[in-house]
Amino acid sequence: ETGVTQTPRHLVMGMTNKKSLKCEQHLGHNAMYWYKQSAKKPLELMFVYNFKEQTENNSVPSRFSPECPNSSHLFLHLHTLQPEDSALYLCASSQDGGRNTEAFFGQGTRLTVV
Amino acid sequence: GQQVMQIPQYQHVQEGEDFTTYCNSSTTLSNIQWYKQRPGGHPVFLIQLVKSGEVKKQKRLTFQFGEAKKNSSLHITATQTTDVGTYFCAGPLRFTSGTYKYIFGTGTRLKVLA
Repeated sequence: ETGVTQTPRHLVMGMTNKKSLKCEQHLGHNAMYWYKQSAKKPLELMFVYNFKEQTENNSVPSRFSPECPNSSHLFLHLHTLQPEDSALYLCASSQDGGRNTEAFFGQGTRLTVV
Repeated sequence: GQQVMQIPQYQHVQEGEDFTTYCNSSTTLSNIQWYKQRPGGHPVFLIQLVKSGEVKKQKRLTFQFGEAKKNSSLHITATQTTDVGTYFCAGPLRFTSGTYKYIFGTGTRLKVLA
């Protein structure tokens, strides 16, 4: 148990579906992140929220839409995805967006787009 | 842009043998972090190095930060089956907003044969 919980753990969706990934952290952190982990690529940062404000969008396609209603919750809304979007999506949190803070990762959502 | 490369990509060792993974950055880093991801799991923070030439030990694991702060290494002495997993290094990159993101290395996947 890392203090960062992601749901669902597994998700299969069609290319025309709309779904959402949820992340919740119980660590009192102020920064939250979405990462994508594909089989043959390093961890790719998608979005960063610091004190509920989106500070960075790492050139992510608009079919991925993040939402951060408060500092404990982070969502990733998905629509009209492509098969190449199949990957492990990891949420992480850290104390703040500084450079000396470690990231705590959730267990991830394994997404398959069919 | 900043890149963080790791070698080797894969390593198979017999239990009891030593293992080393190397991390190289295209730019000077203010610090470097190491994470371990077990098969089917999520990245877990191991350690952070900050000072030039710094060496830190955690039981059988020895972490080193290069003098020029552009490279780092993780050495495991007498590997055990519990060491199986992928080891990532990560270095910070500062956004214009002032927040930081960590660029993860490509990872080294370690398999330990009993």
